Amino acid sequence: GENVEQHPSTLSVQEGDSAVIKCTYSDSASNYFPWYKQELGKRPQLIIDIRSNVGEKKDQRIAVTLNKTAKHFSLHITETQPEDSAVYFCAAIRDDKIIFGKGTRLHILP
Amino acid sequence: ETGVTQTPRHLVMGMTNKKSLKCEQHLGHNAMYWYKQSAKKPLELMFVYSLEERVENNSVPSRFSPECPNSSHLFLHLHTLQPEDSALYLCASSQVLAGPYEQYFGPGTRLTVT
Repeated sequence: GENVEQHPSTLSVQEGDSAVIKCTYSDSASNYFPWYKQELGKRPQLIIDIRSNVGEKKDQRIAVTLNKTAKHFSLHITETQPEDSAVYFCAAIRDDKIIFGKGTRLHILP
Repeated sequence: ETGVTQTPRHLVMGMTNKKSLKCEQHLGHNAMYWYKQSAKKPLELMFVYSLEERVENNSVPSRFSPECPNSSHLFLHLHTLQPEDSALYLCASSQVLAGPYEQYFGPGTRLTVT
């Protein structure tokens, strides 16, 4: 069945360095790929998304890239800051299906 | 504060109890979702409603029973739960079903089954 694999499950990076989280999906009909951030004790919130007709999207320190051929997409966070510490979820969505990855716990080290 | 609210925020119930979780969205959205969040499965979709009709039930045990009386309200009725059902239950809504639309999550109900 449809599946979204997310790696790594845990990631620790030094403050100021970059973090990359990768997701692969199996359903080629997926056409929308959002990323959600969930801080400790808070609800998931959308931070960036990309549609299947776009290869890359950037919003300040956050960027997402999509490779439709390989069916994978990645979240890039540059110049990481303490407030980036959270769990990040990717998702692959088509018209009637939503599948989330299992999440990546990102730790920003001082 | 987003436009999705959930009550109660915390719930402790015995295995023989019956309780209900409530979700309300003030965003004028047409789709609503129930998710279960636990350590084993961080974000597990349980039920999906579009225009008050259930469109997806991801093999959820019958001890969980959803209800969507209108597009603004979503309930999750609980009965004879098991300890492994202890988790955070998140409600979400989106403008329409799936598609390229942001899901707005509620704050969740932390459920403990004793």
